[in-house]
Amino acid sequence: SQTIHQWPATLVQPVGSPLSLECTVEGTSNPNLYWYRQAAGRGLQLLFYSVGIGQISSEVPQNLSASRPQDRQFILSSKKLLLSDSGFYLCAWNPDRGPLYGYTFGSGTRLTVV
Amino acid sequence: KNQVEQSPQSLIILEGKNCTLQCNYTVSPFSNLRWYKQDTGRGPVSLTIMTFSENTKSNGRYTATLDADTKQSSLHITASQLSDSASYICVVSDSGGGADGLTFGKGTHLIIQP
Repeated sequence: SQTIHQWPATLVQPVGSPLSLECTVEGTSNPNLYWYRQAAGRGLQLLFYSVGIGQISSEVPQNLSASRPQDRQFILSSKKLLLSDSGFYLCAWNPDRGPLYGYTFGSGTRLTVV
Repeated sequence: KNQVEQSPQSLIILEGKNCTLQCNYTVSPFSNLRWYKQDTGRGPVSLTIMTFSENTKSNGRYTATLDADTKQSSLHITASQLSDSASYICVVSDSGGGADGLTFGKGTHLIIQP
């Protein structure tokens, strides 16, 4: 069966420090991978998505970047965190088999920038 | 602009009672609608997904309905349990099907009291 792992679960980082969140998927190949951010009282906001190794699409201009070094690995990074980067970050995947297949989300990372 | 509006914003009911959550959308062209359950501090978990031709779908005590003409969906929870306490998110996909075509509602925060 397919599983998605996301870590760390919580993170407190000072302003100006770097960031690296990792997401991996097991039990499937060539998944579509996504990074979302969820702010309190707001809907999920798509940050990046990837349909293959090295292929990254950015939805929102920001202080963050994403990379996909391997088929089932998706990394969210920042060189210098801002206070506004605080939030709940979710990784998700779905099979590369069309839009009707549901998205499976990771357990999330609560990032607090202080 | 595609939008998904959910109501109520929050709801408190007693254990064992039924409840109905609403989702109105203006996404066009429509592809599918999904309901997710998100426990506090966790990633969303898919409950149902419905396409244009489906007007009802059940998953245990959860029943979702879709009226594509009025662009409304509801999620009915029967015989609520304490574990149903969570946020319920309505997500509508346009016919492009990709992650960039998803519009998320802000969710309904449901609290089940003993």
